[in-house]
Amino acid sequence: AQSVAQPEDQVNVAEGNPLTVKCTYSVSGNPYLFWYVQYPNRGLQFLLKYITGDNLVKGSYGFEAEFNKSQTSFHLKKPSALVSDSALYFCAVRGNAGKSTFGDGTTLTVKP
Amino acid sequence: EPEVTQTPSHQVTQMGQEVILRCVPISNHLYFYWYRQILGQKVEFLVSFYNNEISEKSEIFDDQFSVERPDGSNFTLKIRSTKLEDSAMYFCASVLPRGGSDTGELFFGEGSRLTVL
Repeated sequence: AQSVAQPEDQVNVAEGNPLTVKCTYSVSGNPYLFWYVQYPNRGLQFLLKYITGDNLVKGSYGFEAEFNKSQTSFHLKKPSALVSDSALYFCAVRGNAGKSTFGDGTTLTVKP
Repeated sequence: EPEVTQTPSHQVTQMGQEVILRCVPISNHLYFYWYRQILGQKVEFLVSFYNNEISEKSEIFDDQFSVERPDGSNFTLKIRSTKLEDSAMYFCASVLPRGGSDTGELFFGEGSRLTVL
């Protein structure tokens, strides 16, 4: 069975500061890892993914994530947070079977 | 930019009634999914659909649920006899396979909010 853990329900940062949203995963075989963002009353939007290759992947809106196989982690990062980054963030893993399993989500609040 | 569309955006129904939620996936996508989200929290997998049949389903997807793609464009989720606990936001998603395998990102619709009274 595959699973994702997002250990923090809430992350608070000041605008302009770096942010990190944590994610660890468990899956059989090669992991396909994703980050999605959800704004209030909206669907989930894709941010970035790791399939293979470089461990540091870059995505939309200045976000990036680092894949760490030994720690089974895929933390989302951004060097300088914006108030508009405030949203609910989901990490997801897909194994060879195809379905994506989501973490419980982390609410990011960026304060001016 | 192509998008997944879902209707209705909100449906209120009485317990025991049948509900059909509709989705139009992106036209060249091949894998289709239904997820649900209760109270803006965890996103739960319900079912995946490929090549006109269910490829995987979760424990939530019991005999009350069914999916079909009747006309090659619409992808529907039917709940035969709704329960109070079926109240949730239901999201349709589709994937364009890359390199012949299903490793692409999910494209989500905006969701259908189901309220069961």
